[in-house]
Amino acid sequence: DVKVTQSSRYLVKRTGEKVFLECVQDMDHENMFWYRQDPGLGLRLIYFSYDVKMKEKGDIPEGYSVSREKKERFSLILESASTNQTSMYLCASSPIPSSYNSPLHFGNGTRLTVT
Amino acid sequence: AQTVTQSQPEMSVQEAETVTLSCTYDTSESNYYLFWYKQPPSRQMILVIRQEAYKQQNATENRFSVNFQKAAKSFSLKISDSQLGDTAMYFCAFIGTGNQFYFGTGTSLTVIP
Repeated sequence: DVKVTQSSRYLVKRTGEKVFLECVQDMDHENMFWYRQDPGLGLRLIYFSYDVKMKEKGDIPEGYSVSREKKERFSLILESASTNQTSMYLCASSPIPSSYNSPLHFGNGTRLTVT
Repeated sequence: AQTVTQSQPEMSVQEAETVTLSCTYDTSESNYYLFWYKQPPSRQMILVIRQEAYKQQNATENRFSVNFQKAAKSFSLKISDSQLGDTAMYFCAFIGTGNQFYFGTGTSLTVIP
């Protein structure tokens, strides 16, 4: 089974802090994604990466950056956390190309609260 | 641009009954994939069922089945013999020729004992 591991289940940070959310997958997948999940808004794509050191902006990249130095690890960075970034963050991975036999595999999520 | 719409924010069903969750999508692509994901309370999002657009036969996985209407761009999920463990948030998702998945806003399903 594919395993996608997010380093923290719950995080509480202060406004202005730099926040790192880490995600590791063990199936040698090329694609990795960071989503933000908010009630009534579903899942919104922040950034994705299709290869090491490659990244593409999703629908809501403002206030976030990412890093992919190794194939198995994809980090989401909040440069200066703000209260409107309080949310559930989901990491996911899939092979290229994503297809019927290779859907997204999700981590458990990180619930971030910024106070 | 691709869009996925789930028009039912919340639904409930009695245990052992059948419920259908709606999903519509918009795309200009001819071949694509559709998925239903389930997110139980405080648990990991998992794949429930999937459908490839060029396959006319509706997918079935045990108690879960879909009604895929390509012309109408509709992809509904039917859960038969609902169980308490089916209580979850359900998301409809689409992927076309790119690497990006598009998700609906979700339907919160509660199974009532």
